[in-house]
Amino acid sequence: AQSVSQHNHHVILSEAASLELGCNYSYGGTVNLFWYVQYPGQHLQLLLKYFSGDPLVKGIKGFEAEFIKSKFSFNLRKPSVQWSDTAEYFCAGQGSGYSTLTFGKGTMLLVSP
Amino acid sequence: DTEVTQTPKHLVMGMTNKKSLKCEQHMGHRAMYWYKQKAKKPPELMFVYSYEKLSINESVPSRFSPECPNSSLLNLHLHALQPEDSALYLCASSQGVKGMETQYFGPGTRLLVL
Repeated sequence: AQSVSQHNHHVILSEAASLELGCNYSYGGTVNLFWYVQYPGQHLQLLLKYFSGDPLVKGIKGFEAEFIKSKFSFNLRKPSVQWSDTAEYFCAGQGSGYSTLTFGKGTMLLVSP
Repeated sequence: DTEVTQTPKHLVMGMTNKKSLKCEQHMGHRAMYWYKQKAKKPPELMFVYSYEKLSINESVPSRFSPECPNSSLLNLHLHALQPEDSALYLCASSQGVKGMETQYFGPGTRLLVL
């Protein structure tokens, strides 16, 4: 069965700290991977996506993620977080040939000023 | 333009009411989706429309009735809902359903059932 798991439910950081949110996937074949962000009271926005090619993917707002096939991981990183990065972050997977998404449970990031 | 719009933003309804949620996109996408999201949980897929035909129904109760009048519009008709149906209802669209598709989400309708 397809699944996506996120290690941390809550992360609290101070401004300027570095961020890494974990995401692991379990898929039978080729997988596409996404990170979405949901700011308080707002809709899901796409941060970045990986379909193929360079495993290091750069997204909006200074975020990046690395696809490591041997570890079944797609961790999200940012070198220096800001208070405005406070939000819920969802990792999602998509199987080859299908458009439906399987979401992880989400990680709530709280950045204190 | 990657905008998906949804109306209304908020909706309060009684268990005997009939109401509809609307979703619209003008990106030329041929796949549209309804999700339900409870607080602090990930979105759960309800329905998928591909080329205006229902392609996936994730065993959603019949009190939720989707409709796709044309390629730009998606409705969700609600009837005899239960309080546990209170949630954020998200619409999304993608170019197609064949894979390597990015889904773009609308802002959602926050529904409260009394």
